[in-house]
Amino acid sequence: NAGVTQTPKFQVLKTGQSMTLQCAQDMNHNSMYWYRQDPGMGLRLIYYSASEGTTDKGEVPNGYNVSRLNKREFSLRLESAAPSQTSVYFCASKEQGFRSGNTIYFGEGSWLTVV
Amino acid sequence: TQLLEQSPQFLSIQEGENLTVYCNSSSVFSSLQWYRQEPGEGPVLLVTVVTGGEVKKLKRLTFQFGDARKDSSLHITAAQPGDTGLYLCVPRGANDYKLSFGAGTTVTVRA
Repeated sequence: NAGVTQTPKFQVLKTGQSMTLQCAQDMNHNSMYWYRQDPGMGLRLIYYSASEGTTDKGEVPNGYNVSRLNKREFSLRLESAAPSQTSVYFCASKEQGFRSGNTIYFGEGSWLTVV
Repeated sequence: TQLLEQSPQFLSIQEGENLTVYCNSSSVFSSLQWYRQEPGEGPVLLVTVVTGGEVKKLKRLTFQFGDARKDSSLHITAAQPGDTGLYLCVPRGANDYKLSFGAGTTVTVRA
């Protein structure tokens, strides 16, 4: 049972380059998320997709775009990478709505360095 | 937007000591979840608290939900190095599509 899989695990980019982080989940979840994590700042929401066909901005969307390709896949794109985007990125998914015990599942993270 | 505060931000203790971390909000939570993130990994769910005043125990971890459902605490008894990690809280409720976490408490347990 793979859960949430994100690629690549590590990436180094030059300022101005573009790249896409890929995320896929095999739990048939409706909602998917992209977070970034910087030292001392917990998880900050970049974008989310409540269901297939919809995407919405989170707390820190500037410099990013997302695509909900299908129910399984949610990608995050950096069009012109900046050093401020050096971070660890996490993809997550959950069932739609909330019932007691409804778990948010996270990928293992993608370490991105922009030089 | 619900303002969520976690305290302390950092906590370093010796193995065998007890510790408590807090999650507070200016608003009422429908319910709340605690996650733990170990170094190099994604967060993993520890517990969900739903009812005001609820206390849940998970081995040496005790979770409490405030009576007014505006705060929660996590108490670890006799901490072990394996408890080291980032502890995150997140409010949950019906139609909670936009999930915002607190900044977390980084706990380090020294052997």
